[in-house]
Amino acid sequence: DTGVSQDPRHKITKRGQNVTFRCDPISEHNRLYWYRQTLGQGPEFLTYFQNEAQLEKSRLLSDRFSAERPKGSFSTLEIQRTEQGDSAMYLCASSPTQGQGLDFGPGTRLTVT
Amino acid sequence: QKEVEQDPGPLSVPEGAIVSLNCTYSNSAFQYFMWYRQYSRKGPELLMYTYSSGNKEDGRFTAQVDKSSKYISLFIRDSQPSDSATYLCAMSEPGGGNKLTFGTGTQLKVEL
Repeated sequence: DTGVSQDPRHKITKRGQNVTFRCDPISEHNRLYWYRQTLGQGPEFLTYFQNEAQLEKSRLLSDRFSAERPKGSFSTLEIQRTEQGDSAMYLCASSPTQGQGLDFGPGTRLTVT
Repeated sequence: QKEVEQDPGPLSVPEGAIVSLNCTYSNSAFQYFMWYRQYSRKGPELLMYTYSSGNKEDGRFTAQVDKSSKYISLFIRDSQPSDSATYLCAMSEPGGGNKLTFGTGTQLKVEL
């Protein structure tokens, strides 16, 4: 296990379609985070899990977004009824409970046409 | 006003120059300060991590935190073309679940 992995790396979808992204964290990390990054901006926090519990959600996470981490390992982020404004890089990160700093994955770039 | 302010650049310097990157912040609860490097279309990579005020050095990189001024800096010595990337500052609060607040990033280009 060499790092956080994300799948797919790129996704092009039409407005109104649903999309799902997957993140596999570093295996010994029990915290998992989702961030969104648009062009020219820093990553913005969306939500995070400690094991399987979703502990915090940002106001950015509208009702169309849902994240799960059912067994405390991998996580999925689903966006329903995509809009053009959802076009962004979706970054997953993980960390151990103690210590600071996150290990980021390569991201999933979403384009909504 | 954003919690973390960072000049987006772009910043262009000749190879071998000393680079200074800076962020200011408004939330006095921030105690942990980080610098990430992000290459185009890649995820951010942690470069430096500092707790509270002070300096930290790692090779060609030095991070400084001045909590009284709410100002942090990253210095890169002997800059190389491979340092060309976007540099993001990030901060978090104790007990905040390791949730990071990022600056917008400064785009750096080191030219031959």
